[in-house]
Amino acid sequence: DAGVIQSPRHEVTEMGQEVTLRCKPISGHDYLFWYRQTMMRGLELLIYFNNNVPIDDSGMPEDRFSAKMPNASFSTLKIQPSEPRDSAVYFCASSQRPGDYGYTFGSGTRLTVV
Amino acid sequence: AQSVSQHNHHVILSEAASLELGCNYSYGGTVNLFWYVQYPGQHLQLLLKYFSGDPLVKGIKGFEAEFIKSKFSFNLRKPSVQWSDTAEYFCAVNAKFGNEKLTFGTGTRLTIIP
Repeated sequence: DAGVIQSPRHEVTEMGQEVTLRCKPISGHDYLFWYRQTMMRGLELLIYFNNNVPIDDSGMPEDRFSAKMPNASFSTLKIQPSEPRDSAVYFCASSQRPGDYGYTFGSGTRLTVV
Repeated sequence: AQSVSQHNHHVILSEAASLELGCNYSYGGTVNLFWYVQYPGQHLQLLLKYFSGDPLVKGIKGFEAEFIKSKFSFNLRKPSVQWSDTAEYFCAVNAKFGNEKLTFGTGTRLTIIP
């Protein structure tokens, strides 16, 4: 299995631009999670899906952030418009049953907004 | 809601020293507990997990953790550390029933001096 695949690995964009981060979960994993990691705030859960349906988006910072999961093998996290304070590493994770197995994380996307 | 505290923000040890990283959680019900490791520039990887049974859990790379229910603790230990253990370590918790979210601590940065 290729694991959780995220793209791009690095993204540098100018303030005000739209940014789209992508994630392919492990096949058969029904849960998908988006986390943001910063030095100041550590790991924050932004949103998670179960069977492609958003279950909890209470961690999404504001309306500039949106996430979709159109099918079981693909999810996107979009920031529009981006701001310098959005600079962080964004991790996607998937799980078959989080309570039993925990999560498998992707390699992350390092986003820099200048 | 559950929460996790990792009181050691940065630990510096010499090779062959013994390691113990503290983790305390707050939650009134039954929990699953995890330790993840993040090597520099990499994603989080599962070190070990506790779901039930023997409170002493052994993980990969010689790590172990002990769940002490009365103290709400799940400390990570290793009898003799190596330079390659330099990384950031995250404790995480989720409620055993009905909650798929993992809540992470703020992490402990471990630096091993050769």
